[in-house]
Amino acid sequence: NAGVTQTPKFQVLKTGQSMTLQCAQDMNHEYMSWYRQDPGMGLRLIHYSVGAGITDQGEVPNGYNVSRSTTEDFPLRLLSAAPSQTSVYFCASTQTTTGPGYTFGSGTRLTVV
Amino acid sequence: QKEVEQDPGPLSVPEGAIVSLNCTYSNSAFQYFMWYRQYSRKGPELLMYTYSSGNKEDGRFTAQVDKSSKYISLFIRDSQPSDSATYLCAMRAAGNNRKLIWGLGTSLAVNP
Repeated sequence: NAGVTQTPKFQVLKTGQSMTLQCAQDMNHEYMSWYRQDPGMGLRLIHYSVGAGITDQGEVPNGYNVSRSTTEDFPLRLLSAAPSQTSVYFCASTQTTTGPGYTFGSGTRLTVV
Repeated sequence: QKEVEQDPGPLSVPEGAIVSLNCTYSNSAFQYFMWYRQYSRKGPELLMYTYSSGNKEDGRFTAQVDKSSKYISLFIRDSQPSDSATYLCAMRAAGNNRKLIWGLGTSLAVNP
């Protein structure tokens, strides 16, 4: 099925470990983004990309890196996990030439202990 | 003050009730107004979007935008238990900047 695929669905990390959250879309969307969702804080933009090779920071980028080598993939790297990064992470994409709605993945639940 | 304000609820209504969900905003440049529905442990899904002012209807759902008051609403008629979810409003300005500004979401429970 067409859409945004995120892996893994769940992950437990120890403080200081690194990992990559994967995101892939098969809709040829130019714009991709990573959000984290925390109770009482809503959805907060971490990083986004307007096309292959172009990325930019959102409102909470510290501790995270991204790259966009292809249109389809937009991985999010946690460099040195901290308990404050315990959250649910969503990848979302949209096409710049059609309606403004985003398509979201099903999320990755990350716990840092 | 946040750019977008949304009452988090929770809101609990009986099946068949009319539900009204609302957001206020402060940025007069916003032109696209969206409502997303998020079921527990799922990603948000786009429910409706409206460009500029006016109403838009889709089945039991109606979205309204009042730009003069900087106020948007989502009405759900004949609410069903399957409508139980968190509803998030989101909005952005026109142009190539695709970044959305989100409300915190309103939790809705429709009781059979």
